[in-house]
Formats: sequence, structure tokens, C-alpha cells
Amino acid sequence: SQQGEEDPQALSIQEGENATMNCSYKTSINNLQWYRQNSGRGLVHLILIRSNEREKHSGRLRVTLDTSKKSSSLLITASRAADTASYFCATRSGNTPLVFGKGTRLSVIA
Amino acid sequence: GAVVSQHPSWVICKSGTSVKIECRSLDFQATTMFWYRQFPKQSLMLMATSNEGSKATYEQGVEKDKFLINHASLTLSTLTVTSAHPEDSSFYICSASGGHPNTEAFFGQGTRLTVV
Repeated sequence: SQQGEEDPQALSIQEGENATMNCSYKTSINNLQWYRQNSGRGLVHLILIRSNEREKHSGRLRVTLDTSKKSSSLLITASRAADTASYFCATRSGNTPLVFGKGTRLSVIA
Repeated sequence: GAVVSQHPSWVICKSGTSVKIECRSLDFQATTMFWYRQFPKQSLMLMATSNEGSKATYEQGVEKDKFLINHASLTLSTLTVTSAHPEDSSFYICSASGGHPNTEAFFGQGTRLTVV
């Protein structure tokens, strides 16, 4: 079953702009993870944020987590054409497997 | 990071035949692996949890007799799609993690299955 709901479903921006994607989930979690998937390829792990963390940075990525609202956001700053991909949030509760959201398809236009 | 290798990356088979997909953790022992299925432009849907040395746990709606999972060692899990039909055409991805809830999961490259 899916837990996460991302919005927007699709996002198109110009190179250099920032891209923000949001994710909401339904149950309590241990952590929330963001993944990237290029068309027809496997998943690349971007960042993991634990339930007791509120914000995390990695290079041009910034992730926030609001457990009271059961939501997270992924911000990609100074986007590049190479950032074009689908981005998924996934949540983990205890030892259960990752449950993925529906994803956001990001297009960065050069 | 850890590496999970999935093979083959793509396969075309005839209706009624069976296809085996392998998922290997190359540099760590994975007591648990997960199999996901992804239709075009959709998200990953968990099919089953594969536990080394025991039976797999299937998600609701996934036929265990059709999608056979074997996890015979700590580094290898296989998914066999039996008596494949065109509607089984999809992208199948395996995943393995270190076991602790607060560790990232590592994914294979995925297998594109086309049943003709």
C-alpha cells in the first residue's frame, strides 16, 4: 500500500530556479527518505531524515520534516538540466519495508 | 554505499514461459530483501518481502504461486514470474537494507520485463 502523497505530480522549471516537492504521509514513521529515479532506471538514494530531525542538507538538497503535519519537503536549489528525473519520498516504520509515494516528475529546461 | 546488483536489466519472453530475476547484495549480507513492481509513470508498489531461509511475505493481491521468491543465501534473492502474461510486463526492482530501520535502502538497477 502507498502511504506518501507527493505534490505536485509534475513540475517544470527553468535551469537555475529552485524546485520544491512536497510529501505527506499517514502513519507514524522512523524516518523518511527521498529517492531519485531517472527514466526506466533504478533508484538513487538522496537523503534520509529521521523522525526526530527537522531539517537536513546535502549539497543542493534541503529536506524538511514536520511530524506534526506528517509532511516533508525536498528543495533542490539552482536546478540543472541533469536534475530532470522522478523524485519519490518513502517512509519507514520500524522494520517494515519502505512505502513509496506517487512521485513528482521534475523537468528542468535548459 | 552498498551495491545491489539485479540481473537481467531487461528481458523479453513469450506468454506462458517463466522468467527468473536475480538480486544480489555484493558487499553486505542482506537477511531481508524487498521486491517492488513499477508500472510506467507510476510509483513503486511493494510485492513481497524476502527473508533468508524462510518463506517470503507477500502483499495483498500478489499471487505467491505466480511470483515465486527464493532467498537461499544472505546475498541472493530471486523472483520468478511463472506462466507470464502480457499484463505482467512491468519494471521489477529489488531492494536490500542493512536491517536497522534508520539506514538507507539500496536498490538494484531494475529489470524491464516485456511479455509478448
